[in-house]
Amino acid sequence: GAVVSQHPSWVICKSGTSVKIECRSLDFQATTMFWYRQFPKQSLMLMATSNEGSKATYEQGVEKDKFLINHASLTLSTLTVTSAHPEDSSFYICSARFAGGISEQFFGPGTRLTVL
Amino acid sequence: QKEVEQNSGPLSVPEGAIASLNCTYSDRGSQSFFWYRQYSGKSPELIMSIYSNGDKEDGRFTAQLNKASQYVSLLIRDSQPSDSATYLCAVINDYKLSFGAGTTVTVRA
Repeated sequence: GAVVSQHPSWVICKSGTSVKIECRSLDFQATTMFWYRQFPKQSLMLMATSNEGSKATYEQGVEKDKFLINHASLTLSTLTVTSAHPEDSSFYICSARFAGGISEQFFGPGTRLTVL
Repeated sequence: QKEVEQNSGPLSVPEGAIASLNCTYSDRGSQSFFWYRQYSGKSPELIMSIYSNGDKEDGRFTAQLNKASQYVSLLIRDSQPSDSATYLCAVINDYKLSFGAGTTVTVRA
């Protein structure tokens, strides 16, 4: 149980295009999902907290107009990187928390984004 | 000041030895603590969670928590080459996970 999937697992795009990444909780309902970014040899940095049916809460320094998050259902959250640039190339990882849970998070397999 | 700090690596241990990983955190009100293992190019996987002072054992892994010292550790007994990975300490702050920088462990066969 507690499986989280992400799609796509990797994507290469041209500078200036937008990329959408999906995060799904497969066997549980997740009222809260989290989006992280990890650069090479660095730890995970939280970008935003996504709550079903409401606006995402972004961490300081993360541009909400560039990283659009939608959490339309209890099993799906999407992250759209708009007008991507090479510096957005990174490993994007989502996690999900059980509805009613307060601590443990289950991570998706991650999406490797490369912007040319 | 970083919220979660881990002992600097990399840590190299021979197969069969004990690997010891340390982590300190700054928020005295933290209540939930986790150790994640991350293989290169993969996302983190949870290996231990601990909420109360003392030791918690799960197979070859033992987590230790001392809230008074704001310290949490992970011991890996009988280390195997498959344990070679980066280990991330994480603490819940305000319902969000804060990660340490990670300690890379290499188990030499």
